[in-house]
Order: sequence, then structure tokens, then C-alpha cells
Amino acid sequence: QVQLQQSGPGLVQPSQTLSLTCDISGDSVSSNSATWNWIRQSPSRGLEWLGRTYYRSKWYYDYALSVKSRMTVNPDTSKNQFSLQLNSVTPEDTALYYCARGLVPFYFDFWGQGTLVTVSS
Amino acid sequence: QSVLTQPPSVSAAPGQKVTISCSGSSSNIGGNSVSWYQHLPGTAPRLLIYDNNNRPSGIPDRFSGSKSGTSATLGITGLQTGDEADYYCVAWDSSLSAGVFGGGTKLTVL
Repeated sequence: QVQLQQSGPGLVQPSQTLSLTCDISGDSVSSNSATWNWIRQSPSRGLEWLGRTYYRSKWYYDYALSVKSRMTVNPDTSKNQFSLQLNSVTPEDTALYYCARGLVPFYFDFWGQGTLVTVSS
Repeated sequence: QSVLTQPPSVSAAPGQKVTISCSGSSSNIGGNSVSWYQHLPGTAPRLLIYDNNNRPSGIPDRFSGSKSGTSATLGITGLQTGDEADYYCVAWDSSLSAGVFGGGTKLTVL
């Protein structure tokens, strides 16, 4: 059974960097069949896919246009985890953030517990 | 404004059937598969349907999915009060090279 455990601060100041980590058990971040995704949910925007990383002989990264210039997803094979960094946050980035495992063709079967991140001074 | 369009809300009585539509374009639904999720407040979204019409193990056959052209539909039969939730469709968009969600549909079981 795959389990995803999220960690990271719940409060971030405007213009700072939001950082979250997702620890994976029951699978590998280097899996050749999975992708590792970040998704957020806010009252104003509903569920929003943010980005992903996956390994297919080399590492690949995809990002939503809305965050592409500010977001990085990093895999860490030594810890079997992946992380989200979102720079220059504003109150609009206040949301419940989820990590999720993705499978082909494109769906999410296991999710983290969610982390509420508030952007406020 | 979401790339995939869903009705904001639907409602039906217990025991009845409801359908939720998800409309897109040739770059997402028209060329790629659709998945559906149930989202209850305070919980992680639950996968209901993947690859247009497949149910993961543990999802009852009251839930079904279909796709035609650039639209997809989630069907729920034998409605129960426990089905009250928000439902989302998702697809990969080949033009955006990104995943796209629908805006979500709130199901009320009257």
C-alpha cells in the first residue's frame, strides 16, 4: 500500500518561499511507472494541478502555466521523497496543498493528507 | 475559469440517478483520457474513475464513466446521502503540457 506523508510549515509570509515535502512509502520516487504530483485546493479556484516530476531513464518536470515561473518540484532519491518550492508567494497562494502519485495515462490514485498553507504577514 | 467545464451543482433524491458532465476540447478530453474524483471536506480526493470508464478496486459499480468526443460524463446511480460531495474531472492537456481540472460540481442528495 502506497502512503504519502506531507510536511512543511502552515504559514508563509508574502514574497517568501513556500516549501513542502512528501515522503513516499510503498513505492519509489524513481519508479518507471509513476509520476509525483502537487495539487492544491482553494475556495476560489477549486482543485488545481500544479506540477510533477517523474523518472524515465532521466528526470522530467512539468508545471502548470499559472506557477511555472515560480515553482520547482525536486525528487530526492536518498530520502525517497519529493518536494515543492513556490517562490514569491502572495495571499492568492493560500490553499490546501496535496501531493499525489500519478499513473499512466493521467490519474492520481494515492494522495497525501493535505497541508493547509496560509500566506500572511 | 477552468479549462474543463462542469456544472456548479446537481441534485437528486436518494435512490435516484445523477450525471455530471465535463466539457473540454480536442487538446484535453478529445485526445486524452479522463479521471474523476470525489472530494469531501477535510479529506483527500478519492479516485472514482480512471481512463474514462475504469473503476479502481473498492469503488462500487454505482459509479460509472463515459467519454464521447470532447466531453465526459460521470454517472452515479442509487444515490445515497453519503454521496454528497464535490466531484472533479481531470485530464492531461497536450497543448498546455499540463494537467487540467474541471471547476468541480457539488452534488446534493435531497
